[in-house]
Amino acid sequence: DAGVTQSPTHLIKTRGQQVTLRCSPKSGHDTVSWYQQALGQGPQFIFQYYEEEERQRGNFPDRFSGHQFPNYSSELNVNALLLGDSALYLCASSYSPRDTEAFFGQGTRLTVV
Amino acid sequence: TQLLEQSPQFLSIQEGENLTVYCNSSSVFSSLQWYRQEPGEGPVLLVTVVTGGEVKKLKRLTFQFGDARKDSSLHITAAQPGDTGLYLCAGLFSGTYKYIFGTGTRLKVLA
Repeated sequence: DAGVTQSPTHLIKTRGQQVTLRCSPKSGHDTVSWYQQALGQGPQFIFQYYEEEERQRGNFPDRFSGHQFPNYSSELNVNALLLGDSALYLCASSYSPRDTEAFFGQGTRLTVV
Repeated sequence: TQLLEQSPQFLSIQEGENLTVYCNSSSVFSSLQWYRQEPGEGPVLLVTVVTGGEVKKLKRLTFQFGDARKDSSLHITAAQPGDTGLYLCAGLFSGTYKYIFGTGTRLKVLA
């Protein structure tokens, strides 16, 4: 079992650009959640996808959007990047939206310059 | 706003010492998880507690969920350098399906 895999592992973008991050959930999981973790902070919930729809959303602007594919993999898109978007972006998967246990990927380190 | 406060924020101890990390909220959790995260990695789930008063043990780690399900603690006995990392609690509040993370406790165990 490959667990939750994210790509790329590191990324450097320029302010104003757009970025797409990818996540493949753990085998058997159909729910994917995305988190942003700034340096020295705990992860902040961005949104959750289930059945290819956004089910819940945290306090993030519309510049943050996502998608879930029929194979349950997911993408996180961020438009008009700001310096403050620099962070570790984590993907977590679970068996269902109600599942109490989530498994995290290793994250994508995004640096905006 | 549902907040989770963790204390202490930083802890540096000698190998063999015991320590306790706390996670508190003014709201009731339907469940709570503890994670450990190492630099450049995603959080790794240690335990999930669901029932008020529940105690779970994982080798030298003891996790306790408060009776009112508003707080939790993580106790490490005879800490080892391999315990070094960022310990995060994450609470699932009733009526929601998103975990709220605490700010974390950064533990360093010196050999």
